[in-house]
Amino acid sequence: TQLLEQSPQFLSIQEGENLTVYCNSSSVFSSLQWYRQEPGEGPVLLVTVVTGGEVKKLKRLTFQFGDARKDSSLHITAAQPGDTGLYLCAGAGSSSNTGKLIFGQGTTLQVKP
Amino acid sequence: ETGVTQSPTHLIKTRGQQVTLRCSSQSGHNTVSWYQQALGQGPQFIFQYYREEENGRGNFPPRFSGLQFPNYSSELNVNALELDDSALYLCASSLGGLNQETQYFGPGTRLLVL
Repeated sequence: TQLLEQSPQFLSIQEGENLTVYCNSSSVFSSLQWYRQEPGEGPVLLVTVVTGGEVKKLKRLTFQFGDARKDSSLHITAAQPGDTGLYLCAGAGSSSNTGKLIFGQGTTLQVKP
Repeated sequence: ETGVTQSPTHLIKTRGQQVTLRCSSQSGHNTVSWYQQALGQGPQFIFQYYREEENGRGNFPPRFSGLQFPNYSSELNVNALELDDSALYLCASSLGGLNQETQYFGPGTRLLVL
């Protein structure tokens, strides 16, 4: 069974601080996606990483896929209150014919002004 | 381009009842996946439909069933509702084929079972 462990589960920081969220597994994934979800809404795709070692940047957000494609991280620089939300990582299995996404349990981020 | 839409947005049912949730996929997408998200948890995969056929199923009992129509919209049916079925039900659409792993989610249907 493929599992994704996210850490930390909860994070409360002040505006302007930096943070990193981790997503780890013992399984290999063909790709990994990061989503952000607001209360009562569906997850919104932030990025998809496919290649081991890949780094993608989205404004103040930096995403990295581990060399072995078993882990990923999300780093936010100078966090703002608008970054508040639930961050989810989701992996597509190495035999992904079903298109099943395996989600981590999420990291709830609160950025205080 | 129209995004993924779901209906209804909220629903209250009682134990033992049946429910049907609906999803319209994003324009051009032929694949729909359904997920259940309990409060404070990540989404759990229920099943996926690709070109009207079930294309993979998660660890959910047979009382969870689905359909996909020729226009690629989809339904999720749950029979004999239980209290633990209370959750946000998410539908996601994707292109299928090489791009099937990038899924775009709808806003969800919040189901409460009393």
